[in-house]
Amino acid sequence: DVKVTQSSRYLVKRTGEKVFLECVQDMDHENMFWYRQDPGLGLRLIYFSYDVKMKEKGDIPEGYSVSREKKERFSLILESASTNQTSMYLCASSLGGRTGQPQHFGDGTRLSIL
Amino acid sequence: GDSVTQMEGPVTLSEEAFLTINCTYTATGYPSLFWYVQYPGEGLQLLLKATKADDKGSNKGFEATYRKETTSFHLEKGSVQVSDSAVYFCALSGQFYFGTGTSLTVIP
Repeated sequence: DVKVTQSSRYLVKRTGEKVFLECVQDMDHENMFWYRQDPGLGLRLIYFSYDVKMKEKGDIPEGYSVSREKKERFSLILESASTNQTSMYLCASSLGGRTGQPQHFGDGTRLSIL
Repeated sequence: GDSVTQMEGPVTLSEEAFLTINCTYTATGYPSLFWYVQYPGEGLQLLLKATKADDKGSNKGFEATYRKETTSFHLEKGSVQVSDSAVYFCALSGQFYFGTGTSLTVIP
């Protein structure tokens, strides 16, 4: 089975800090994604990546950046954390190529910005 | 643009009741359609999928049929169990489009 591992289940940070969320997948998937999940809003795509060192903006990239230096690892960076970035963050991966491939999700990181 | 509209919840059912969660989509081309489930404290898991019109996806007693004429992919289960309590998401390929989720609670 595909395993997508997010480095922390719960994280508490302060306003203005630089925050790193790490995600690792073990199935050699080309595609990786970062979402945030908020009540009533479902999942919203922040960034995605189709290949190493490649990134594309999703629907809500403002205030975030990403890094993909190795195929298995996709990092989400909050450059200067703000309280409105308190949320559940979900990482996912999928095979490349055909768009009909399902995504595999990590268990999420619940981030609180104080 | 592409989008998914999902039935709002929460939904509360008694055990062994019939479940329907509605999902309609707007898309160009011929997308694949998915249902994901999220149990408390976990990430999303793929429940079932359908890749072309009239396909029926099924898993764990859940079913959904890809209806191109009505642009729908409704999730159904004939007899729900307490263990089915979760949040269900409809999704559209290329995977960037998720519904807002429907919370289901099944009471004994």
